[in-house]
Parts: sequence; structure tokens; C-alpha cells
Amino acid sequence: QSVLTQPPSASGTPGQTVTISCSGSSSNVGSNPVNWYQQLPGTAPKLLIYVNNQRPSGVPDRFSGSKSGTSASLAISGLQSEDEADYYCATWDDNLDGLYVFGTATKVTVL
Amino acid sequence: EVQLVQSGAEVKKPGESLKISCKGSGYRFTNHWIGWVRQMPGKGLEWMGIVNPVDSDTRYSPTFEGQVTISADKSINSAYLQWSTLEASDTAMYYCARHSHVVVVDPTPDFWGQGTLVTVSS
Repeated sequence: QSVLTQPPSASGTPGQTVTISCSGSSSNVGSNPVNWYQQLPGTAPKLLIYVNNQRPSGVPDRFSGSKSGTSASLAISGLQSEDEADYYCATWDDNLDGLYVFGTATKVTVL
Repeated sequence: EVQLVQSGAEVKKPGESLKISCKGSGYRFTNHWIGWVRQMPGKGLEWMGIVNPVDSDTRYSPTFEGQVTISADKSINSAYLQWSTLEASDTAMYYCARHSHVVVVDPTPDFWGQGTLVTVSS
């Protein structure tokens, strides 16, 4: 059972904006930067957002991240069919003896 | 271009030992932590631990400490994940992941290997 809670699913039609939440606590999201990963079906995860809102080179600016208090969010604007994937938030937890924790994953479906 | 190439799929029996590998290229191997993440069938990602290739300093998740060994050989830019006694519950996909620079206290996984599927069955 992860300490970072995400909705199990989210969906939208092409062009819409989908937002995924990540709820944690003061020992993880509240005190450490949050990263987001995208895992396309049958492939390895890919870093999508780091340090709350930074995009690695090559990640489209349709993807944006934010954090407030003990919650973080990933927004996908201009939704495209190739965005259909599992999305994970992640961060370090200061209470768990130095543990990097992943969220429970959100499956994004493009209708 | 950063690349992490992992060893191939393995099928083992309970009680057997196993060591899988991950070879990094396209970056200075000794500049970054490198570690492993487990994904059990149909499940989410679980961080297992990391190793500093410079001095072999390791950090393990409490879940995996004592269950596996993470190591690295900087002379051949490779990291390893090892089991001495496999169990059926070790069946999973295992990803190696480059993490942030070794000076970072809490490093972030940033580049991932393609995964190694380990199946443990009698």
C-alpha cells in the first residue's frame, strides 16, 4: 500500500485537459520535490516531470506539474491518443528510513 | 544518448540464485547513482535501492534490505541485482534506473532500462 494516493483512472477526449492528483503527507510530498513518470503499455517508465514542475528535454509542454502543501498534480492539456498510459507520482519519504515512494498509479484513457 | 541495457529474461526455480545486469552508456557512469525498481505483474512500481558506482555505497528500501544485493562494477559500467534464494513471489519485471548525480542527497530516477522479466516457478 503506497503512501502516495492517486485516482485509479482518468479519461478525456482528444484535445481536452486531464488532471491527475497525488495526495501525500508532510513527510513526503510536503517536504520533498515531486516527480512524475509515464509508463506506456508494455514499456519502461519515463521521467515526465521532476522537481514539481520541470520538464526534461523532449517532454512536450502539454505536460505540466504543480505542488501545494501535501498534494501535487499533473495536467495533460491538448490530450492526444498517445498519452494513453499509466502515470505515477513519486518522491522521497523522510519517515520511511530513506525510501523513494511511488504513487498508486493513474490509468489515463483517451476516449 | 543515455542508454541502460539490461540482461535478458530469466526463468528459474524456487531456491535458485540469480544475478541480473544493467550496462550504462552515453554518460559518465561514476557520476550517477544507479538502482532497481520492481514491478510485479499488473501492479505498480516499487523502489528497491541504489548503489553509488564510485564507492559501492548502497541504500535499500526496508522492504528489500536483506532480500537482494545491489552492486556495481565501475570498470565495465554495469550494475547488478542479485538473489541468493529465489521465491515464486520474486516473479516480476525489474527495471534498472539511473538516478541523479552522486552529490544529490535524495536522487531521482531519470533514465530507465528496458526491463528484465524474472519468472520463478517450479
